[in-house]
Amino acid sequence: DQQVKQNSPSLSVQEGRISILNCDYTNSMFDYFLWYKKYPAEGPTFLISISSIKDKNEDGRFTVFLNKSAKHLSLHIVPSQPGDSAVYFCAASGNPNTGTASKLTFGTGTRLQVTL
Amino acid sequence: DVKVTQSSRYLVKRTGEKVFLECVQDMDHENMFWYRQDPGLGLRLIYFSYDVKMKEKGDIPEGYSVSREKKERFSLILESASTNQTSMYLCASSFGAASYGYTFGSGTRLTVV
Repeated sequence: DQQVKQNSPSLSVQEGRISILNCDYTNSMFDYFLWYKKYPAEGPTFLISISSIKDKNEDGRFTVFLNKSAKHLSLHIVPSQPGDSAVYFCAASGNPNTGTASKLTFGTGTRLQVTL
Repeated sequence: DVKVTQSSRYLVKRTGEKVFLECVQDMDHENMFWYRQDPGLGLRLIYFSYDVKMKEKGDIPEGYSVSREKKERFSLILESASTNQTSMYLCASSFGAASYGYTFGSGTRLTVV
C-alpha cells in the first residue's frame, strides 16, 4: 500500500523553464512533508519542507505547495538548471503528538532531466 | 557537517551468504534507519532504531535483521542473501522528529549472485 505516490516516473524540461513535480498521499495523519534530491551514487539530500499548517514554502528557486484537502503537494523549480537533473523524492511524516513523527515515508521518485 | 558513513560502496555476495552492512554517524543522533531503493518502488523502510539496543520493523523487514550496540553504529544483516535482495541500501540518521529531516549515507550497491 503506497501511502505516498509520485505518478510521473520521469520529467524532461528545458533549461530556464519551470519544472513541476507532483506528489499525492493517502494517509491523513501525515503532518509534515519534505522533498529530497538524489544524484546517482549519492545519498538523498534534503531540499525543502512544508508543515501542514502552511500551503506554500519558498526557498530560492524552489517552492513547495500543499493542498491538504486534495492530499497533494508539488515542487516548483524556477528557473530549471542542468544541475537540477536528479531523482526527486517526496516524503511525509506524522504528527509528533500521535507518536508517528519519527520516520519518513517516501514516494517512488521522479527523475528530472533538464535539457539545454 | 553531520556525516553518515556506509562502509562499502559496492558489494557482490553469493546466494545464501550472511551479509553485514555497516553504518556509522558522527553527530550523536538518536534515530537511525535502513532503507532500500529500487526502480519504480522508491525508498522503502527496512528497520529503524530510536536508541541503543532498540529496533523496530519498517515496511519490508523480511529477510533482514539489525543490530545497534552503540549509538553511532547501526548494522543491517542479511541472514541468507537472496537475489531479490540485490538493491541500493541507504542508511540515514536523524535527531528528534523526522520533520527535521534525515542525513543519508552515500549508499551501498549490493549485488547477490
